[in-house]
Amino acid sequence: EIVLTQSPGTLSLSPGERATLSCRASQSVSSSSLAWYQQKPGQAPRLLVYGASTRATGIPDRFSGSGSGTDFTLTISRLEPEDFAVYYCQQYGSPPTWTFGQGTKVEIK
Amino acid sequence: QVQLVESGGGVVQPGGSLRLSCAASGFTFSSYGMQWVRQAPGKGLEWVAFIRFDGSKEYYADSVKGRFTISRDNSKNSLYLQMNGLRAEDTAVYYCAKDFPLKDGYGWYHYFDCWGQGTLVTVSS
Repeated sequence: EIVLTQSPGTLSLSPGERATLSCRASQSVSSSSLAWYQQKPGQAPRLLVYGASTRATGIPDRFSGSGSGTDFTLTISRLEPEDFAVYYCQQYGSPPTWTFGQGTKVEIK
Repeated sequence: QVQLVESGGGVVQPGGSLRLSCAASGFTFSSYGMQWVRQAPGKGLEWVAFIRFDGSKEYYADSVKGRFTISRDNSKNSLYLQMNGLRAEDTAVYYCAKDFPLKDGYGWYHYFDCWGQGTLVTVSS
């Protein structure tokens, strides 16, 4: 079973700053299997990035994903007020199973 | 646009049963796999179950296998989750989500591109 570990647990930043979120897999995974979701309080999650680096429909280009093997990164180039939320990485495995990281909270400093 | 609306949550005693429903609209429901994902209060996301577009195959997380059953009725654009033998640790918001399948040179990959707003299940005596 693959375990996803996200770091840091909480990121305290100001609007306009750059956010770098990490997701580390316990063993090498295909880049095609890695996604990122955003969840705001009281809301359902939203798909941000899939295939490690492809933005989902309607996602602003300040969000970018990268990485391969065991190390993946979600970068928010300049934080907007609406970007303060919890972010989850997710890995799809076979037979169909889905594993989430524990989440990184991006909070206003 | 795509809309998913869950219902059926509530308070149930340990060992009890509950059936969740998810009404889908805005897309061709019978063409997509569907999922249930849950989130315990203040905790992260946990995948629960997946059903293929035609209902021919189901997959479950180990934590619910043998207790929960996912099903669908494509004629009613509806997804279901029958939950039996409920435990306190099943307390969570349950979301239904639409499958977003992609294929590369090595196989198929599945993501969740649309989610409902969730329904709260509380297991407590």
